[in-house]
Amino acid sequence: DADVTQTPRNRITKTGKRIMLECSQTKGHDRMYWYRQDPGLGLRLIYYSFDVKDINKGEISDGYSVSRQAQAKFSLSLESAIPNQTALYFCATSGAGADTEAFFGQGTRLTVV
Amino acid sequence: AQKVTQAQTEISVVEKEDVTLDCVYETRDTTYYLFWYKQPPSGELVFLIRRNSFDEQNEISGRYSWNFQKSTSSFNFTITASQVVDSAVYFCALSEAFTSGTYKYIFGTGTRLKVLA
Repeated sequence: DADVTQTPRNRITKTGKRIMLECSQTKGHDRMYWYRQDPGLGLRLIYYSFDVKDINKGEISDGYSVSRQAQAKFSLSLESAIPNQTALYFCATSGAGADTEAFFGQGTRLTVV
Repeated sequence: AQKVTQAQTEISVVEKEDVTLDCVYETRDTTYYLFWYKQPPSGELVFLIRRNSFDEQNEISGRYSWNFQKSTSSFNFTITASQVVDSAVYFCALSEAFTSGTYKYIFGTGTRLKVLA
């Protein structure tokens, strides 16, 4: 099984709909992240959480919200999806130190029509 | 502020050529960490290497090598004798620790490498 699992892997949704992307990890790490990947823009941080009680906005949090249901689970919600939120979304987890690498999920390709 | 620049958007090479992917970073801290990730066409992100700011030794792993130069704030990645399977998007990333004990990863925009048979 993958260390970080994202569901769904692909999703097409309509403008204005609410959608939730789910992420679970088996690494036992406290830190979890949501990134968005767009062509030419690399990976941009949406939200991050350093433990269950800690949630922080990243550089592009507008239009998104998150929930850290447990150490292993971190979900991302789009309350009212819009077409420019069409992107590839990645969940990641990492260990306690800045020297640890991030482990990424397989990604969720979201299309908002 | 932290920043990672990968100026090469896309590189195409013919199989067996050597290729270098550039990464330039900006940080005000003296303690930081640099990473390279590979994103093959299947989409997942694969960790390749980590380097801390106190270790400027170059590293070689098979056909891959990394050159870290603090004087030029660069952490370049070279693939020797490239193969079609090396075709991917490669990301350079930086993390630095804050006094609060937290840290974040900052990613570059990536370089798409195409290796032609």
